[in-house]
Amino acid sequence: SAVISQKPSRDICQRGTSLTIQCQVDSQVTMMFWYRQQPGQSLTLIATANQGSEATYESGFVIDKFPISRPNLTFSTLTVSNMSPEDSSIYLCSPQLTSGPDTAYNEQFFGPGTRLTVL
Amino acid sequence: QKEVEQDPGPLSVPEGAIVSLNCTYSNSAFQYFMWYRQYSRKGPELLMYTYSSGNKEDGRFTAQVDKSSKYISLFIRDSQPSDSATYLCAMSAGNQFYFGTGTSLTVIP
Repeated sequence: SAVISQKPSRDICQRGTSLTIQCQVDSQVTMMFWYRQQPGQSLTLIATANQGSEATYESGFVIDKFPISRPNLTFSTLTVSNMSPEDSSIYLCSPQLTSGPDTAYNEQFFGPGTRLTVL
Repeated sequence: QKEVEQDPGPLSVPEGAIVSLNCTYSNSAFQYFMWYRQYSRKGPELLMYTYSSGNKEDGRFTAQVDKSSKYISLFIRDSQPSDSATYLCAMSAGNQFYFGTGTSLTVIP
């Protein structure tokens, strides 16, 4: 298993400002995913961040709005830039690890989430 | 068409009931099928996963996968109030995971 922490756990921000969310994992992970979860909706993948390469963004998400850093194998940040009320959501980091006896299975763990409210 | 479809509920059952949660999917390439449980204000945590078709049992929880029908289920026996949470199904092909919207379950004492 993996122990994952996220900071901040929650924040209330003003429109037009930026917030950087930190994700720390107690294991070295190659693949790190960032998701957004809005009320009543499924987890929406924002981007995949592998250490040593540029993050890959999903359709509808761009680097200027959601820059990601991945300086090492245990840490990542997601910045929500120039925020608007539509960015109010829960943001989750999700490291992927090979887990258990089935080495072909990549288990996806989740951090506790950052609850963001934009006024 | 979404990759994964899941009835969002909400579902409310009395304590001790058998709960059935279901998802359907469209991508025949999915190989691993997962169920996550998410308590309020927490991140999802993996309950169990199944590889390909078949059943898997873990205590009060049983996961079933029917690849021919592209249909997966999670059964909870002797449901407890502590089972009250949102349950998300997920499927993977390689490193990419696809999640259902989650079903909100409340077990009433």
